[in-house]
Amino acid sequence: SELTQPPSVSVAPGQTARITCVGNKIGGKSIHWYQQRPGQAPLLVVYNDRDRPSGIPERFSGSRSGNTATLTISRVEAGDEADYSCQMWDTTSGHHVIFGGGSKLTVL
Amino acid sequence: QVQLVQSGAEVKKPGASMHVSCKASGYKFTLYYMHWMRQAPGQGLEWLGWINLYTGGTNYAQKFQGRVTMTRDTSISTTYLDLSSLTSDDSAVYYCARQEMGSGDWFFDLWGRGTLVNVSS
Repeated sequence: SELTQPPSVSVAPGQTARITCVGNKIGGKSIHWYQQRPGQAPLLVVYNDRDRPSGIPERFSGSRSGNTATLTISRVEAGDEADYSCQMWDTTSGHHVIFGGGSKLTVL
Repeated sequence: QVQLVQSGAEVKKPGASMHVSCKASGYKFTLYYMHWMRQAPGQGLEWLGWINLYTGGTNYAQKFQGRVTMTRDTSISTTYLDLSSLTSDDSAVYYCARQEMGSGDWFFDLWGRGTLVNVSS
């Protein structure tokens, strides 16, 4: 199984950023999203497709449609500039974890 | 304070083994799995496997079978990652991350800050 993300997404401050994660075998699986600022560890921002951990702003939301999961960041701020990766627990052949390649969000 | 503190950077020769530790604090250690991931420069995250911190049972990614060992010491709330027969392809930042037992899915709500391992002759 693979998770495919766009390498880069650019958006102006105050606008909405949408980062997609496409996988041919994600039907029925949950997708989780991480933010990673340069030199820092990943931070969970959305889990189980659309749930937010405590402390994550409501501006971050997740959704699913078929084989595509989307992380939406509303009212983008300069501090949102980071790499965003999707992740899934794959049970199709054993049990393992796969990550998307990551998307660099640039705030113009 | 809830945190995972990893050991410091390592420089290894090809063929050697690495040993990275991850000390947990601020929560009940044995209620979680600990997963290990790595990230090579400019690359995405790659999963190595997990250890059940209650039983010590492990599940390794097929790619690393035979070369990876994950252990834990519950008395000091510390998890260890050993990777042997290192090559330059193993140069990466290695992360530990916890997953709550019974969470219903595998996702990671707390990460260590990473340990840089550089494999070079």
